[in-house]
Amino acid sequence: GQQLNQSPQSMFIQEGEDVSMNCTSSSIFNTWLWYKQDPGEGPVLLIALYKAGELTSNGRLTAQFGITRKDSFLNISASIPSDVGIYFCAGLRGNDMRFGAGTRLTVKP
Amino acid sequence: KAGVTQTPRYLIKTRGQQVTLSCSPISGHRSVSWYQQTPGQGLQFLFEYFSETQRNKGNFPGRFSGRQFSNSRSEMNVSTLELGDSALYLCASKEGQLDEKLFFGSGTQLSVL
Repeated sequence: GQQLNQSPQSMFIQEGEDVSMNCTSSSIFNTWLWYKQDPGEGPVLLIALYKAGELTSNGRLTAQFGITRKDSFLNISASIPSDVGIYFCAGLRGNDMRFGAGTRLTVKP
Repeated sequence: KAGVTQTPRYLIKTRGQQVTLSCSPISGHRSVSWYQQTPGQGLQFLFEYFSETQRNKGNFPGRFSGRQFSNSRSEMNVSTLELGDSALYLCASKEGQLDEKLFFGSGTQLSVL
């Protein structure tokens, strides 16, 4: 089951705004992953983080592996309409992967 | 490389029936996992197969079962369907059992009437 607390649950923003979301856990994870799911499709891997404190970018997306290894953050800069979707965090420890409940992002043109 | 392929994309069944869903992983990937996704529950882990053996199992009743073939393709079966089984069933593959990156298929949307 889910052990990751992802927030916010949903966001309604204007095109061009920056977005921040985060994921926290009571347990330590060795790898953090961020996925995006478009309507009617499966989640697509956006960013993978492997080390505490690591900051990784993928275009307008930047994610960070928290220093405590119990949290991770995703930022989207200058949002565009195609950023709409559900963003999931996932934490991996050994062979055990847990998912957050997702952040539903709506971008108004 | 082709991505994870799931068939069928959509399925409508009635209560009490059974259903089999199919998943072809990315070529070279030997680990296949199955997830159930519902609006209220998010992604719930069903089971993982690696080298034709179930390696990990989530908290689902025995009506949910699966198997993996020697070519790494996997099937998931749900027997005696209930209304609550309506969900998007996602298959995901990765290269090795301890690999970090999980790649998902587009899912099979199951509706139980």
